[in-house]
Amino acid sequence: AQSVSQHNHHVILSEAASLELGCNYSYGGTVNLFWYVQYPGQHLQLLLKYFSGDPLVKGIKGFEAEFIKSKFSFNLRKPSVQWSDTAEYFCAVGLTGGGNKLTFGTGTQLKVEL
Amino acid sequence: EADIYQTPRYLVIGTGKKITLECSQTMGHDKMYWYQQDPGMELHLIHYSYGVNSTEKGDLSSESTVSRIRTEHFPLTLESARPSHTSQYLCASSETGLNTEAFFGQGTRLTVV
Repeated sequence: AQSVSQHNHHVILSEAASLELGCNYSYGGTVNLFWYVQYPGQHLQLLLKYFSGDPLVKGIKGFEAEFIKSKFSFNLRKPSVQWSDTAEYFCAVGLTGGGNKLTFGTGTQLKVEL
Repeated sequence: EADIYQTPRYLVIGTGKKITLECSQTMGHDKMYWYQQDPGMELHLIHYSYGVNSTEKGDLSSESTVSRIRTEHFPLTLESARPSHTSQYLCASSETGLNTEAFFGQGTRLTVV
């Protein structure tokens, strides 16, 4: 069975600091990779996705993620965070062609301080 | 505006009651899903459907049941609620196709007392 590990459960940063959230998955086959974000009181929203092609993907709000197949990783990055980025971030993995039967990580709670 | 709706947002109910959590989407998606999330834990897939009259159990065993009589509607039912069912339930939908993304509702936070 697949599993997804998010190493940072709680992250506190100051505005303008750089962000990197780790995500590793265990599955030997071809996967689709996602980062979702949940702002306080709102529903899960897609931040970015990787299906194939360029392993560096760009998402909304200045976020990007890099798929490193050899490391089974899909880390999320942002060069300069803003207070409005305070949210919970979830990494998710699905089998290619498997619909959206996703396996999620436990999430990372990010707090950005002014 | 196309969206996915869940009702109620919050529900506190007594043990033994039958409950139905509603999920509707106006995006015309064939695929729909239910995920369960305990506090501080991962989301786990408990049910999915690839179309009308299609329902399958997910990775996490659940005592709940689902039905898919209409494309836009995917309700989840607990025949007899127990405190162990206290959790957040998230509904999602996606287009048919090999590589698509899931769209999530706002969730129902269920507390069984």
